[in-house]
Amino acid sequence: QKEVEQNSGPLSVPEGAIASLNCTYSDRGSQSFFWYRQYSGKSPELIMFIYSNGDKEDGRFTAQLNKASQYVSLLIRDSQPSDSATYLCAVKDYGQNFVFGPGTRLSVLP
Amino acid sequence: GAVVSQHPSWVICKSGTSVKIECRSLDFQATTMFWYRQFPKQSLMLMATSNEGSKATYEQGVEKDKFLINHASLTLSTLTVTSAHPEDSSFYICSGSIPSSSYEQYFGPGTRLTVT
Repeated sequence: QKEVEQNSGPLSVPEGAIASLNCTYSDRGSQSFFWYRQYSGKSPELIMFIYSNGDKEDGRFTAQLNKASQYVSLLIRDSQPSDSATYLCAVKDYGQNFVFGPGTRLSVLP
Repeated sequence: GAVVSQHPSWVICKSGTSVKIECRSLDFQATTMFWYRQFPKQSLMLMATSNEGSKATYEQGVEKDKFLINHASLTLSTLTVTSAHPEDSSFYICSGSIPSSSYEQYFGPGTRLTVT
């Protein structure tokens, strides 16, 4: 059973701080890793994906991947109240099979 | 990012009736589409994976005779909930997969189904 784990939260950070969201996965054969943001009552939207070890930056977002530790994280710099949402980590194998984590609820306090 | 639409955005139906939900990829060809269900405060649950022109692959525990999926073209997939019951009330979300290096999925806005 392939598993993706996330701390359910809520994770509360003050406005302007860095929010750090973590995700671990069980399948060492996983190839690609995705972060989605889901606002309450809405569908998920893709923030970014990463497939090589190291960091990948896109604006205020940085994804970090460590395949040896089976760990992927998302950093949000200069957090804003509008970043308050549930963040879903998803992991893909060689095929098109995605496994989603349960999500971490982030609350950015003004 | 790529755009996926769903119709209707919400629907209320009576118990025992059938409901069809359409999912369209508007600016890309989705060789594979996925259907998810999400109950309040819970994570996404994959129901089935459909490839254009072939039968859908259903996840364990999902009744294929109750949730009929048709992927007739590279831009359209439909989910029909047959003989709906109140316990089928949920948020149904489709996604399309882009066959690039990472096969990232783009989600439709979802359809909120309420069965009375």
